Amino acid sequence: KQEVTQIPAALSVPEGENLVLNCSFTDSAIYNLQWFRQDPGKGLTSLLLIQSSQREQTSGRLNASLDKSSGRSTLYIAASQPGDSATYLCAVRGSNYKLTFGKGTLLTVNP
Amino acid sequence: DAGVTQSPTHLIKTRGQQVTLRCSPKSGHDTVSWYQQALGQGPQFIFQYYEEEERQRGNFPDRFSGHQFPNYSSELNVNALLLGDSALYLCASSSYSFSNTGELFFGEGSRLTVL
Repeated sequence: KQEVTQIPAALSVPEGENLVLNCSFTDSAIYNLQWFRQDPGKGLTSLLLIQSSQREQTSGRLNASLDKSSGRSTLYIAASQPGDSATYLCAVRGSNYKLTFGKGTLLTVNP
Repeated sequence: DAGVTQSPTHLIKTRGQQVTLRCSPKSGHDTVSWYQQALGQGPQFIFQYYEEEERQRGNFPDRFSGHQFPNYSSELNVNALLLGDSALYLCASSSYSFSNTGELFFGEGSRLTVL
């Protein structure tokens, strides 16, 4: 059974800092990994999708990496802004096509 | 291009009642999945529909059922509601042709409160 863990559970940083969110998964037989952002009480916004054959994906100030063999992914946010404050969720897609999610990291960026 | 739309956005029910939630997938998508997200937790997979049939199911009781219509929209039905069914219910759409590699797009969710 796939299990996804996100560390830390919460993170508070001053505006302008670069930061890294971590995601680990127990079963390396995945098709892809997706990072989402969730604002309080809202749905999920897809940030980055990394296929199992890829090592990283970039979008603006966001960079996600994937090391399938070690079961790890990181989401790097450069020059953080107060608008980046949200919960960030990592999800992996296995052979049964469903997404397995971590519990998320609650990020607060202080002005 | 409309994204994934869900209705209603909020609803309150009492224990034992039944509820129906609705979802319209993103244009061009033919597959709908439903997830339950309890407060402070990550979403949990309920089931997936393609070609009007349930294709995959997570670890949820039979009280949770669904339907997909010819226009690809979907409904989630929950019978005999329990307090523990209180959660945000999320609909995700994708293209079955890219089942393995495709990106999932989520709606804003339906917040269900059971009293």
